[in-house]
Amino acid sequence: AQSVTQLGSHVSVSEGALVLLRCNYSSSVPPYLFWYVQYPNQGLQLLLKYTSAATLVKGINGFEAEFKKSETSFHLTKPSAHMSDAAEYFCAVVSGGKLIFGQGTELSVKP
Amino acid sequence: EAGVTQFPSHSVIEKGQTVTLRCDPISGHDNLYWYRRVMGKEIKFLLHFVKESKQDESGMPNNRFLAERTGGTYSTLKVQPAELEDSGVYFCASSQFNRGGTDTQYFGPGTRLTVL
Repeated sequence: AQSVTQLGSHVSVSEGALVLLRCNYSSSVPPYLFWYVQYPNQGLQLLLKYTSAATLVKGINGFEAEFKKSETSFHLTKPSAHMSDAAEYFCAVVSGGKLIFGQGTELSVKP
Repeated sequence: EAGVTQFPSHSVIEKGQTVTLRCDPISGHDNLYWYRRVMGKEIKFLLHFVKESKQDESGMPNNRFLAERTGGTYSTLKVQPAELEDSGVYFCASSQFNRGGTDTQYFGPGTRLTVL
């Protein structure tokens, strides 16, 4: 069965620093992977998704993720954090027509 | 275009009472999903409708949960009777197609359910 693991339930960075949120997947078939973000008091919003077209996927708000099959990873990055990036981030894999989510990573951005 | 809407945003009920959550998907979206996040845990799938039919209800925890989608439009999720462990945030999502789950699912803001 497919699954995802997000390393680190809380990540804190300074404004302007690199953001790196880790996601590793387990899948017996080529995976379809998603990153969602949840801002306070809002629903989940799609950041980006990997559907095997390209290993480097660019998303909204300057985020991108690279699919690495050899490492079974799909880490989310942003070169320079902004205060508005403070939110919870979820990695998910498709399994049987539905999304299987990781535990979520809360990102804090310090001024 | 309106997004996925959910009502109510918050609900506080006593153990043993009944609660009904409502989800209005994006217009034209045949696929509707319910997910739940219990505090401190991951978001988990509950069920998937295609139009008015249940495509997959493998995530429904027990028979105290009843989901319906009358006419293939809005959906309701009823919990009867509610137990303490039902507390959490219930998310609804919709997509135009499913195609093995690869189509983007658009999420609502969630309903926060607290059972006392």
